[in-house]
Amino acid sequence: GENVEQHPSTLSVQEGDSAVIKCTYSDSASNYFPWYKQELGKRPQLIIDIRSNVGEKKDQRIAVTLNKTAKHFSLHITETQPEDSAVYFCVGGGFSGGYNKLIFGAGTRLAVHP
Amino acid sequence: DAMVIQNPRYQVTQFGKPVTLSCSQTLNHNVMYWYQQKSSQAPKLLFHYYDKDFNNEADTPDNFQSRRPNTSFCFLDIRSPGLGDAAMYLCATSRGGAKEQYFGPGTRLTVT
Repeated sequence: GENVEQHPSTLSVQEGDSAVIKCTYSDSASNYFPWYKQELGKRPQLIIDIRSNVGEKKDQRIAVTLNKTAKHFSLHITETQPEDSAVYFCVGGGFSGGYNKLIFGAGTRLAVHP
Repeated sequence: DAMVIQNPRYQVTQFGKPVTLSCSQTLNHNVMYWYQQKSSQAPKLLFHYYDKDFNNEADTPDNFQSRRPNTSFCFLDIRSPGLGDAAMYLCATSRGGAKEQYFGPGTRLTVT
């Protein structure tokens, strides 16, 4: 079945630095790649997503890139701020097991130090 | 303006005592999902409803059941909770599959 691997599991950066989280997926039929941010004790919230017909998407300090050939996608956060500290999940979405569904990566705990 | 509502937010149940968690939505989305999230782990999909069609994940224990009486409501029934079922249970909705999912605030289940 579909598998999404995410690295690193933890990431610590200084405020103002950039942070990069990388994911790979196994199902070539995957066509939707959202990223969720989850703060401690709160619900996951979508921060950005990309579809397979696009290679890159940017929203202010956040950008995602997708390499369909290599089955890689990445999240880039520039000028990090303490409020960016959270767990980030990459997700692969597509047709699997007979229906469309999302497969979560294991998560990256990002800590931004002032 | 809450879009996905879960009740209760915190639930304590005894080992083996059936419990029901509730989810409702005002988005009129046709797909509703139930996830289990344990500490420091990713949400794990238990099952979902695509309209009235129920889709169970292969590794979801039989102890977990779900009902969707109408578009707005979905319930998670745990027939005989064990200590290992203590977790956060997240409900989510989407308009169609492989689309943005909107999560509820979750119900934290404690099993004593």
